[in-house]
Amino acid sequence: GESVGLHLPTLSVQEGDNSIINCAYSNSASDYFIWYKQESGKGPQFIIDIRSNMDKRQGQRVTVLLNKTVKHLSLQIAATQPGDSAAYFCAETGNFNKFYFGSGTKLNVKP
Amino acid sequence: DTEVTQTPKHLVMGMTNKKSLKCEQHMGHRAMYWYKQKAKKPPELMFVYSYEKLSINESVPSRFSPECPNSSLLNLHLHALQPEDSALYLCASSNSASPTYEQYFGPGTRLTVT
Repeated sequence: GESVGLHLPTLSVQEGDNSIINCAYSNSASDYFIWYKQESGKGPQFIIDIRSNMDKRQGQRVTVLLNKTVKHLSLQIAATQPGDSAAYFCAETGNFNKFYFGSGTKLNVKP
Repeated sequence: DTEVTQTPKHLVMGMTNKKSLKCEQHMGHRAMYWYKQKAKKPPELMFVYSYEKLSINESVPSRFSPECPNSSLLNLHLHALQPEDSALYLCASSNSASPTYEQYFGPGTRLTVT
C-alpha cells in the first residue's frame, strides 16, 4: 500500500507555544488528506482535512499545509494547550475509500 | 447522535475460542470500517462495507470474519486467533464510501489473545 510517514515520533512543547507536526507521503496520486488526534484509550478523532487542489486550510487553532511538490503535509496547532496532548496521525487516500495512516507523532504539552 | 459505539470494551480470549466484536452507529452512515491498531502504531484498514456489502478486504486472514447485518451494525467474528492478533480493534463509519468523507471512530475493543 501507499506509504505515509512522519519525521518525528515525539514532540514536546510548552503550553502556549505553537506546535508543528510533519508528515511525508509517497503516493503522488493521493488527493485527500486528514489529520486525526487520538487520545489515550480513545479512537481517532477528526481534526482537519485538505484536498489536493489546496495548499492551506485553517480551522479553529489548527492549520494544515500541503506541499505537493515534496509530498509533505503539516499540522500547525496555535497556542498549544494541555488538552492537545495526544497522538496525531496523518492519513491519505487516493484510491476508492482506503485510508492509509502515517506512523504518528506523540505530542506532549508541558504546563 | 454522532457516536460510534463498540462492545465489549475489553476482551480476553484463548486461541480456541470463538468471540464477536460489535459496532453500532445511528448517524445513517452507509459505509462502515474495521481497523486493527497495535500499540504505538497507526490504525490499519481491515474491511470496508458499503451499503451493507463488503467492498474491501485488505487480505485479512480468514480467522477474522466480518458481518454487516444492517446499515447500523457491524460485527467482527473471531475464531482460532493467534497471540499476535492482540490489538485494539477500531470500528468507524462515514456518510459515504467515498474517500473524501470524514470517518467517525468508535473507542475500540482492546483484544488480548492468550
